[in-house]
Amino acid sequence: EAGVTQSPTHLIKTRGQQATLRCSPISGHTSVYWYQQALGLGLQFLLWYDEGEERNRGNFPPRFSGRQFPNYSSELNVNALELEDSALYLCASSFTGYNTEAFFGQGTRLTVV
Amino acid sequence: AQTVTQSQPEMSVQEAETVTLSCTYDTSENNYYLFWYKQPPSRQMILVIRQEAYKQQNATENRFSVNFQKAAKSFSLKISDSQLGDTAMYFCAFSDNDMRFGAGTRLTVKP
Repeated sequence: EAGVTQSPTHLIKTRGQQATLRCSPISGHTSVYWYQQALGLGLQFLLWYDEGEERNRGNFPPRFSGRQFPNYSSELNVNALELEDSALYLCASSFTGYNTEAFFGQGTRLTVV
Repeated sequence: AQTVTQSQPEMSVQEAETVTLSCTYDTSENNYYLFWYKQPPSRQMILVIRQEAYKQQNATENRFSVNFQKAAKSFSLKISDSQLGDTAMYFCAFSDNDMRFGAGTRLTVKP
C-alpha cells in the first residue's frame, strides 16, 4: 500500500513568488495535516483538513492557505514568499478522530532565495 | 489550545544505557491520545509508541516504554539499551482531534 506522497521533493522559489505543495494521503484516510519544520527546529502546525473542510489552522498569516479535494488529496499554497518561509513542509494523513496515528510523507524542501 | 512542551532540546546517552525524554502537555479534554515520533536524519517521521489517555497501563514497545502520568499531564519516553540507530529527533505529540507536536529533543547515542 502506498504511503503519504508529497510533491515536489524540492522547490526553489524567488521571494514574492507563490509556491504550491501537494500531498496525497494514504488510501482511506480523510484527514490531512500540514506542518512547517524550519531547519533544526520542531514542527509548527499549519493546517488541518478533514472531509474537504478546513478544521483548524495554526498561527500563520493568511498567505498560507490550502484546500482538500474530493479524493482527500491536499494542496498547500504559500503566497508572497518570504525568505523565512524556507523550511521542510511535512504532510501527514490519518483516519478521522483523535485516536489514530498520523502517517507522514517525506516532505517538500522549500527554499526561497 | 492544546500545547505540548519538551524541555530538553538536546540529550546524549552512551550506547547500551538508558535515557528518558520528558514531555508535558496541557489540555482540558479527558479523551485523547499521546504519541512519540522519531525523526532520523532521513527526515522520515516514524511512530515509536502511542498511549491512550483512558488506559492507566503504560505502553511498551520492545526497548521503548512510556511513563504516563495523567494527573500531572506528563508523558515521558524511556529508551532502554540505547542503540546507535536511536540517534534522531524525538517529538512528543498530542491528539484530541488535530495533532500537535512539541519542539523536539535531539538525542545522540554515543558509541
